[in-house]
Amino acid sequence: DAGVIQSPRHEVTEMGQEVTLRCKLISGHNSLFWYRQTMMRGLELLIYFNNNVPIDDSGMPEDRFSAKMPNASFSTLKIQPSEPRDSAVYFCAGQGTQYFGPGTRLTVL
Amino acid sequence: AQSVTQLGSHVSVSEGALVLLRCNYSSSVPPYLFWYVQYPNQGLQLLLKYTTGATLVKGINGFEAEFKKSETSFHLTKPSAHMSDAAEYFCAVGLSGGYQKVTFGTGTKLQVIP
Repeated sequence: DAGVIQSPRHEVTEMGQEVTLRCKLISGHNSLFWYRQTMMRGLELLIYFNNNVPIDDSGMPEDRFSAKMPNASFSTLKIQPSEPRDSAVYFCAGQGTQYFGPGTRLTVL
Repeated sequence: AQSVTQLGSHVSVSEGALVLLRCNYSSSVPPYLFWYVQYPNQGLQLLLKYTTGATLVKGINGFEAEFKKSETSFHLTKPSAHMSDAAEYFCAVGLSGGYQKVTFGTGTKLQVIP
């Protein structure tokens, strides 16, 4: 099973708060991708890791966003401080986007 | 640089009719091409992919797509639509040699009319 687990599934927070999204890969992945999906911009690649190393973070919108992958099966995406325009569904994907997680729906009030 | 264009943001078909979702790509190198399906409030699920070799690719749920280099197209088809096919479909292109830097199209919402 090469699944992807994301938590939380839904997050509602107020502007200025720190938000941490989590992604767990279930075996067999050597790459991890973070995507953001909005109605206006569709699916955007934020950052991807290969063998735990960030390869391309050019899609990270600004310094408020950061991502880490401390081990081969776990990653976090942090937004600090959050803003209403960060509201979106954030997806984690493994094994070169072949496996997507269910997403975290973030609402920033 | 690479990109995909999906023609038609909404497509409606009758149950049992042919499904045809159009995708054209642009890539400076031989591409990897993908189709994904997304059901409401769910993540994307890979339907099929083309990397190299046979240009007609069969995927899950009875879908298939044909890579046509001369037309830079990778259209998705299914002979007979089922109500459960109603979803949003995304075409995507990636660089050959890996799955990095996959670029997604804007999506096509498929409606199946009973």
